[in-house]
Amino acid sequence: AQSVSQHNHHVILSEAASLELGCNYSYGGTVNLFWYVQYPGQHLQLLLKYFSGDPLVKGIKGFEAEFIKSKFSFNLRKPSVQWSDTAEYFCAVNDGGGYNKLIFGAGTRLAVHP
Amino acid sequence: GAVVSQHPSWVICKSGTSVKIECRSLDFQATTMFWYRQFPKQSLMLMATSNEGSKATYEQGVEKDKFLINHASLTLSTLTVTSAHPEDSSFYICSARDSAGVAYEQYFGPGTRLTVT
Repeated sequence: AQSVSQHNHHVILSEAASLELGCNYSYGGTVNLFWYVQYPGQHLQLLLKYFSGDPLVKGIKGFEAEFIKSKFSFNLRKPSVQWSDTAEYFCAVNDGGGYNKLIFGAGTRLAVHP
Repeated sequence: GAVVSQHPSWVICKSGTSVKIECRSLDFQATTMFWYRQFPKQSLMLMATSNEGSKATYEQGVEKDKFLINHASLTLSTLTVTSAHPEDSSFYICSARDSAGVAYEQYFGPGTRLTVT
């Protein structure tokens, strides 16, 4: 069965620092990968997604992620974080089944200090 | 576009009662909707896949008689927590797939916080 691992459970950064959140998945077939963000008290929002093509994917709010097939990774990056990026970040992979269910990682809680 | 709503946003009920949570796709049709459960500071766990006009598909370990799902129209799925107990207290989130959109994308509702006393 597919699984998703997020290595950093809690990250604390100062504003303007660079961010990289790790995500590894276990499925060896064709995958569709996603990063979602959940701001405090709000619902999940899609940051970016990878289906095919250019492995470097750009999303909203200056985020990007790189799909490295050989490493089964899809790490999220942002060159300079802001206080408003404080949120929980979830990596997800679709299971490739008929319903295209999403398998979520455990999440990474990011706190950005001014 | 692609807005999903949930009602209620929060509910408190007494142990032993049943609670119904609605999930609506507001500007698109959704043949498939999903129900998740999120415990505090944890990830989303898929409970079931809801299909319009047919029975829901439950994930392993989820009691289908306790968590009743009905997807009676292309814009509405409901989750009923029957005979709720304090351990059912959680954040319930639904998502919906646009029937006319990309198959892999899901749009999430804002969630419903259930507290059972």
